[in-house]
Amino acid sequence: QVQLVQSAAEVKKPGASVKVSCKASGYTFSTYGITWVRQAPGQGLEWMGWISAYNGDTNYAQKLQGRVTMTADTSTSTAYMELRSLRSDDTAVYYCARVYRIAARPVPGWFDPWGQGTLVTVSS
Amino acid sequence: DIQMTQSPSTLSASVGDSVTITCRASQSISSWLAWYQQKPGKAPKLLIYKASSLESGVPSRFSGSGSGTEFTLTISSLQPDDFATYYCQQYNSYPLTFGGGTKVEIK
Repeated sequence: QVQLVQSAAEVKKPGASVKVSCKASGYTFSTYGITWVRQAPGQGLEWMGWISAYNGDTNYAQKLQGRVTMTADTSTSTAYMELRSLRSDDTAVYYCARVYRIAARPVPGWFDPWGQGTLVTVSS
Repeated sequence: DIQMTQSPSTLSASVGDSVTITCRASQSISSWLAWYQQKPGKAPKLLIYKASSLESGVPSRFSGSGSGTEFTLTISSLQPDDFATYYCQQYNSYPLTFGGGTKVEIK
């Protein structure tokens, strides 16, 4: 079955970087994209960006531009999300999800399935 | 950015009730809308895509409708497993955006 398994929880100090991994199985990794969504404690869902596993194209949320990098390693079917210059308001659960492409549309589609989430805590 | 506004933010209902959640987009998104269910401590789960297409394996008591700027998610006969938070998400244009969520509670 299609499954995304994320790396373990992390605790970081302000100003540090974190890199979260998302290992895919059960499908051909390069034929879909991977998106990243975060959820601060008690809050809603925030889209961070996505990467095409086919050609490595990315699109990031403007508020994270310059601090986030998403990559995909097709040899290991693993996607990565690195967030730099961490602040306390980056404390959140970070989710990866497989994203459907829709023919002839530049914008990716819906997200299914999702990884189990990775808690990143930023605290001094 | 397209703003997605869900209402109500909280809904109290009983098992067997029919409930409807509304999602409004700040501009037309055609039918490029998905609905997700999230339970506490768990990842979201896809219910509906393209406004009204039911994801495989999702019970038929869930249905979605709408196009343009107004959309609804209906649960026809609420079951104990349905008490959760529901989110809409537009994928018409960047940045992809979510509604603020609707928590369905037990009355």
